Amino acid sequence: AQKITQTQPGMFVQEKEAVTLDCTYDTSDPSYGLFWYKQPSSGEMIFLIYQGSYDQQNATEGRYSLNFQKARKSANLVISASQLGDSAMYFCAMKGGNDMRFGAGTRLTVKP
Amino acid sequence: DSGVTQTPKHLITATGQRVTLRCSPRSGDLSVYWYQQSLDQGLQFLIQYYNGEERAKGNILERFSAQQFPDLHSELNLSSLELGDSALYFCASSVTGASNTGELFFGEGSRLTVL
Repeated sequence: AQKITQTQPGMFVQEKEAVTLDCTYDTSDPSYGLFWYKQPSSGEMIFLIYQGSYDQQNATEGRYSLNFQKARKSANLVISASQLGDSAMYFCAMKGGNDMRFGAGTRLTVKP
Repeated sequence: DSGVTQTPKHLITATGQRVTLRCSPRSGDLSVYWYQQSLDQGLQFLIQYYNGEERAKGNILERFSAQQFPDLHSELNLSSLELGDSALYFCASSVTGASNTGELFFGEGSRLTVL
């Protein structure tokens, strides 16, 4: 069975600094996808970044990068140059087989 | 706008009642997923359909049922509602079914309040 673990219930970061949100996963599938979503206070789910299990390079999308360490089964999200608008819940998710499972989330607060 | 439409956006009902939540996926997407998000919780996977067929089942209660119709829209039926069923219910769609690729596009959710 797939399992996604986010061990940081809440994180604080100073505006303009970088922050890393942790995510570990467990699966027996050789092929899987890892995703990060952002959920602001308004409630919508916003896709941020994707990493395939066979991708050799770490994914990047603007200020977001995914630090993928396959042997350690970790897929940490790095947000560079944090902005006040980055304050939100962040969910790590894994897709393999027929479904996508989410971690419990990390609430990020960016301080001015 | 993700292209996924959920109705109703808000719903208030009483314990013991039954409600139906509706989802229209993005044009061209064959997969529909349903998730439940209770207050300040993560997303709990309920069920997935691909082109009308159930593909995966998560922590869906027996009081809940879902289906995907030939036009690919999906409905989630919740019956004998309890206070604990109050949550935000998300529908998401994806063009792929069993692949590991393809992000999910989420609707805005249906917020259910059971009094």
